[in-house]
Amino acid sequence: QVQLQESGPGLVKPSGTLSLTCVVSGGSLSSSNWWTWVRQSPGKGLEWIGEMYHGGGTNYNPSLKSRVTMSADKSNNQFSLRLRSVTAADTAIYYCARVTWGQFYYMDVWGKGTTVTVSS
Amino acid sequence: EIVLTQSPGTLSLSPGESATLSCRASQSVSSTYLAWYQQKPGLAPRLLIYGASNRATGIPDRFSGSGSGTDFTLSISRLEPEDFAVYYCQQYGSSRLTFGGGTKVEIK
Repeated sequence: QVQLQESGPGLVKPSGTLSLTCVVSGGSLSSSNWWTWVRQSPGKGLEWIGEMYHGGGTNYNPSLKSRVTMSADKSNNQFSLRLRSVTAADTAIYYCARVTWGQFYYMDVWGKGTTVTVSS
Repeated sequence: EIVLTQSPGTLSLSPGESATLSCRASQSVSSTYLAWYQQKPGLAPRLLIYGASNRATGIPDRFSGSGSGTDFTLSISRLEPEDFAVYYCQQYGSSRLTFGGGTKVEIK
């Protein structure tokens, strides 16, 4: 059974870079799945950040595209998110999730989430 | 960008009652790429429905989804105490994904 676990600094300074990692256990990052990041600002709804495939394909939310990079680390079976030039508006719970994409598209496995606060 | 509008924002119901949640898209979306998620406080979202009407593994049959084009519905019959949560719809198309703003189903 695939499980995901996010990790990274809980506090990032304004104008800095937010870096998170999602470790995949019980399965392979190099499967046919895509992998995604979703965030949730305090008391708000869900916001899609983007997605990536182990082979290198990526799609990003246009509103974040200029600041986001997602990448795969196949040797460690994990993938990562980098968000540059952060502001307080980037304070959120960040979730990684597995995407099943074929005839259907859905996120069927989620990490528990990690809270990131942007503050000096 | 396709905007998903969920209504109502909050639904106040009693256990045993039925719930009907709406998700309306600003333009037509592929039903195969329309999903519903449930989120309880402090937890990650959980997949309920994919392809507009297919229940995910382990989801009880009191949950059902329907719709096509721009109008989609999540129905919950006979609400159980564990069903009180926030529900989100999600669509994917043209390499872009959006979520609806959510509907909170609360105990009346």
